[in-house]
Amino acid sequence: KQEVTQIPAALSVPEGENLVLNCSFTDSAIYNLQWFRQDPGKGLTSLLLIQSSQREQTSGRLNASLDKSSGRSTLYIAASQPGDSATYLCAVKKQGGSEKLVFGKGTKLTVNP
Amino acid sequence: EAGVAQSPRYKIIEKRQSVAFWCNPISGHATLYWYQQILGQGPKLLIQFQNNGVVDDSQLPKDRFSAERLKGVDSTLKIQPAKLEDSAVYLCASSLISGLGTDTQYFGPGTRLTVL
Repeated sequence: KQEVTQIPAALSVPEGENLVLNCSFTDSAIYNLQWFRQDPGKGLTSLLLIQSSQREQTSGRLNASLDKSSGRSTLYIAASQPGDSATYLCAVKKQGGSEKLVFGKGTKLTVNP
Repeated sequence: EAGVAQSPRYKIIEKRQSVAFWCNPISGHATLYWYQQILGQGPKLLIQFQNNGVVDDSQLPKDRFSAERLKGVDSTLKIQPAKLEDSAVYLCASSLISGLGTDTQYFGPGTRLTVL
């Protein structure tokens, strides 16, 4: 059974800092991995999707890496801003079968001005 | 392009009552998902539809939960009777075509259910 763990559960940083969020998964037979952002009272917004054959994806100040063999992914946020405050969720999609995403519990990020 | 629509946004009911949630996916999206997100947890897939057929309902508590997508467009999720542990946010998502690596799921704002 696939399990996804995110560390830390919560993180508070001053504005302008670079930061890293961690995600680990137990079954390396994944199709892809996604990072989502969730704002309070709102749904999830997809930030980055990394295929199993890829090593990283970048979008603006965000960079996500994937090491499938070790079951790890990181989300790097450069020059953090108060608007980045949200919960960040990591999810993996299993090879074959349904399109089910297995989510971690998320990391709640607070960027202080 | 309009996003995934869900209603109601909030619902408060007594235990043992019934409740229904509605979802309208993005136009043209063949795949629709219902997730349950308990406070402090990540979303858990309850059911996945491909057009109007069920692809995966392995984590749906079928003794009390039911879902349908009759015309392959909008969908309803029903709980009958509700239990205290059903308090959660129910998220609906849709994606263009199941099976492709680039099929990002787009999420609605969710329905927050409180069972008293």
